Amino acid sequence: EAGVTQFPSHSVIEKGQTVTLRCDPISGHDNLYWYRRVMGKEIKFLLHFVKESKQDESGMPNNRFLAERTGGTYSTLKVQPAELEDSGVYFCASSQIARDTGELFFGEGSRLTVL
Amino acid sequence: DAKTTQPPSMDCAEGRAANLPCNHSTISGNEYVYWYRQIHSQGPQYIIHGLKNNETNEMASLIITEDRKSSTLILPHATLRDTAVYYCIVRVAMRYKLSFGAGTTVTVRA
Repeated sequence: EAGVTQFPSHSVIEKGQTVTLRCDPISGHDNLYWYRRVMGKEIKFLLHFVKESKQDESGMPNNRFLAERTGGTYSTLKVQPAELEDSGVYFCASSQIARDTGELFFGEGSRLTVL
Repeated sequence: DAKTTQPPSMDCAEGRAANLPCNHSTISGNEYVYWYRQIHSQGPQYIIHGLKNNETNEMASLIITEDRKSSTLILPHATLRDTAVYYCIVRVAMRYKLSFGAGTTVTVRA
């Protein structure tokens, strides 16, 4: 069974540009989460989707970040315009609703470097 | 969610048991204790969780004190591949926001 996949694995952009990160959750997982670790800091929650609906977006840092999950399958996280402080690793995770053991399955992450 | 306190780092000899402590003195009755780990350059990985009883799975054992104010994650036979940052997280059931904290950096040495 395929795990959570994220693309790209690494993106290098200049300040002011736009980047879109993609996450494909495990098939059948209705919960999808975005987390990130910026340089030297702890892993922080960004937001949570249940199917295509945003359940909790309290961790989104500002309106330069836009997350979508059209059709309740894959999700995208767009950063526009990117700033230097957005550099870090963005993790996506998924889990099942019906079987809430608290086990989130994480992807390998997308490393974003803003120059 | 209740705050957790973990030592910043610890070393362990390969083949020996690794005992990772975690304090969560303000834990509430409906909060679970979760352990995740992050091996370098990978995403966090779920290890185990428990409410009040001790738990064991193929990866580790979780010992929770009777007053639930602390717990210990036990890796029974540490290998070099267990070198990682280990996170103790307290979470209310059905709440999906995990607070990772700084964790314990565990280095397994040959």
